[in-house]
Amino acid sequence: GQNIDQPTEMTATEGAIVQINCTYQTSGFNGLFWYQQHAGEAPTFLSYNVLDGLEEKGRFSSFLSRSKGYSYLLLKELQMKDSASYLCAVRDTDKLIFGTGTRLQVFP
Amino acid sequence: DVKVTQSSRYLVKRTGEKVFLECVQDMDHENMFWYRQDPGLGLRLIYFSYDVKMKEKGDIPEGYSVSREKKERFSLILESASTNQTSMYLCASSLGPRTDTQYFGPGTRLTVL
Repeated sequence: GQNIDQPTEMTATEGAIVQINCTYQTSGFNGLFWYQQHAGEAPTFLSYNVLDGLEEKGRFSSFLSRSKGYSYLLLKELQMKDSASYLCAVRDTDKLIFGTGTRLQVFP
Repeated sequence: DVKVTQSSRYLVKRTGEKVFLECVQDMDHENMFWYRQDPGLGLRLIYFSYDVKMKEKGDIPEGYSVSREKKERFSLILESASTNQTSMYLCASSLGPRTDTQYFGPGTRLTVL
């Protein structure tokens, strides 16, 4: 079967570091996306991992371990504007499967 | 920048009405998608299209149909709206295969009374 798990909600403080985890079980795997979605807005592309390891892009980094079926999104130097939902999506053979998203709230 | 637009941000309809949701993308993308997003269920694919006049069912096509007469435009049709179709509807497009990076529109929040 296909399954993607993310925590439902997380909270963090401005300036801190937060790690949002995503575990997946799929019949085929061709890569993993992270999207950011502010309340009432469209999801926007953040990162894509297809090989094991860490991809860094400014304050955001994404990690993938294919053998463990695991990814995380790391957000550093948190800002209030990072309050949003973060969606993990897995490329499974010929389809894209989305997780339910993690709602992150950043407090001052 | 890829731009995907949707005809309405908010829509209120009555049970049994026919509803049209329009989506337009300006980047000459081959693939277009319709999702609905519900709390706790994430994004679920309703239909997608990989070419003009071509369509394929997604995971939850029941109660919906689609139309793609032009490459840039993809319409979602609710033939007879029901209350369980109250949801956020998101359109997306991608240049490459179905699993390529998708670019989303702002969404239409549909309420069926």
